[in-house]
Amino acid sequence: NAGVTQTPKFQVLKTGQSMTLQCAQDMNHEYMSWYRQDPGMGLRLIHYSVGAGITDQGEVPNGYNVSRSTTEDFPLRLLSAAPSQTSVYFCASSVPGQQETQYFGPGTRLLVL
Amino acid sequence: DAKTTQPNSMESNEEEPVHLPCNHSTISGTDYIHWYRQLPSQGPEYVIHGLTSNVNNRMASLAIAEDRKSSTLILHRATLRDAAVYYCILRDRLGDFGNEKLTFGTGTRLTIIP
Repeated sequence: NAGVTQTPKFQVLKTGQSMTLQCAQDMNHEYMSWYRQDPGMGLRLIHYSVGAGITDQGEVPNGYNVSRSTTEDFPLRLLSAAPSQTSVYFCASSVPGQQETQYFGPGTRLLVL
Repeated sequence: DAKTTQPNSMESNEEEPVHLPCNHSTISGTDYIHWYRQLPSQGPEYVIHGLTSNVNNRMASLAIAEDRKSSTLILHRATLRDAAVYYCILRDRLGDFGNEKLTFGTGTRLTIIP
């Protein structure tokens, strides 16, 4: 299994541009989520999904959209990038349950100028 | 959500045991205690979790206080590859389907001295 994969690894955007961060997992996990990590801070939840067709907001959803058309993929869209969205973005997946392990991707480093 | 408190940083010598503390005085009865770590420039990875009893796996041991208000992650023989930020996280007890979020604090930055 490839686990959780994310593309691109690094991206530079100008303010106002849009882009989609890709996340895919091949473990047939129902739960997927997006976090952002700012320098010196822990991860904060942006959006999550409990299955295909179902998404919900996390702690910091403003400026981001998500969709979940398949179990495998959970893209994160920035509609109009802002410098405050400069961060490292991590995607995670798991089988639901308090004891279950969450698997994280390698991250996408985003710089918005 | 119940909160955890960890030291900002710790240092340890290579090949010696490391004890990473975590306080969670407001833990609920069915909160699980999870530990994740984040190596430099990587995503977090699961280390271990427990509820009441001490737990061991190939990576580490987890010692949970009898009153569950604190726990300690034990790395038995630290290597340079164990240098990372270690997060102690309580899994939300509500257990509603979809309530899987991990609430990360700032963790403990562990430095291993060769």
